[in-house]
Amino acid sequence: DQQVKQNSPSLSVQEGRISILNCDYTNSMFDYFLWYKKYPAEGPTFLISISSIKDKNEDGRFTVFLNKSAKHLSLHIVPSQPGDSAVYFCAASELGTALIFGKGTTLSVSS
Amino acid sequence: DTGVSQNPRHKITKRGQNVTFRCDPISEHNRLYWYRQTLGQGPEFLTYFQNEAQLEKSRLLSDRFSAERPKGSFSTLEIQRTEQGDSAMYLCASSFFTGTSGNYEQYFGPGTRLTVT
Repeated sequence: DQQVKQNSPSLSVQEGRISILNCDYTNSMFDYFLWYKKYPAEGPTFLISISSIKDKNEDGRFTVFLNKSAKHLSLHIVPSQPGDSAVYFCAASELGTALIFGKGTTLSVSS
Repeated sequence: DTGVSQNPRHKITKRGQNVTFRCDPISEHNRLYWYRQTLGQGPEFLTYFQNEAQLEKSRLLSDRFSAERPKGSFSTLEIQRTEQGDSAMYLCASSFFTGTSGNYEQYFGPGTRLTVT
C-alpha cells in the first residue's frame, strides 16, 4: 500500500517552459513534504519543502504547492533548464521521522 | 566539505558473506537515517537514530540486519549472511531535530552500492 504516489513515471519539457511534477498521498498524518532530485549513482539532493500549515513555498525557480483537502502536492520549475534533467522524488514525513518516498518521475528537459 | 559521507561506495560480495557499511553524518546533526533503494523504486526507510538511541526500525529490517551508532556520531549497518535480494543502494541521511523544533529536511550521502553474487 503506497502512501506516496507519483503517477507519472516520466515528463518531457522544452527548455524555458514550465515543468510540473505531481504527487499524491494518502496518510493525513503527514505534516511535512519534501522534493528531492537524484542523478544516477548519487544520493538524493534536497530541493524544497513545505509544512502542512502552508499551501505554497518558493525558492528561486522552484515552487511547491500543497492542497491538503485533495492530498496533493506539485513542484513547479520555471523556467526549466537542461540541467534540471533528473529523477524527482516526492517524500512525506510525520513528526520528522522516516521519509516515505514516491517512486519518482524522470524529467527530461530538451534544449 | 561537511556533507554526509558513506564508505565504501561500492561493495561486491558473495552470497552468505557478511558486509558492513559506514556513514558519517553532518557533524551537528543528531538524527541519522538508513534507507535502501532498488531499481525503479524510491528510497525505503530502514531505521533511524537520535543520538545513539535507535528509535525506529522498519519491518524491512530483518534480523540479518543490524545498525549501530555507538557514540552518537558515525553509524554502521551490517548485513549478515547476505542474499541476492539484498543487492541495492544503501543510503544514509542526517538531520537536526529536537522534537519541538528543527528541520525536517534530511541530507543524503552518496550511497553504498551492494551487489551480492
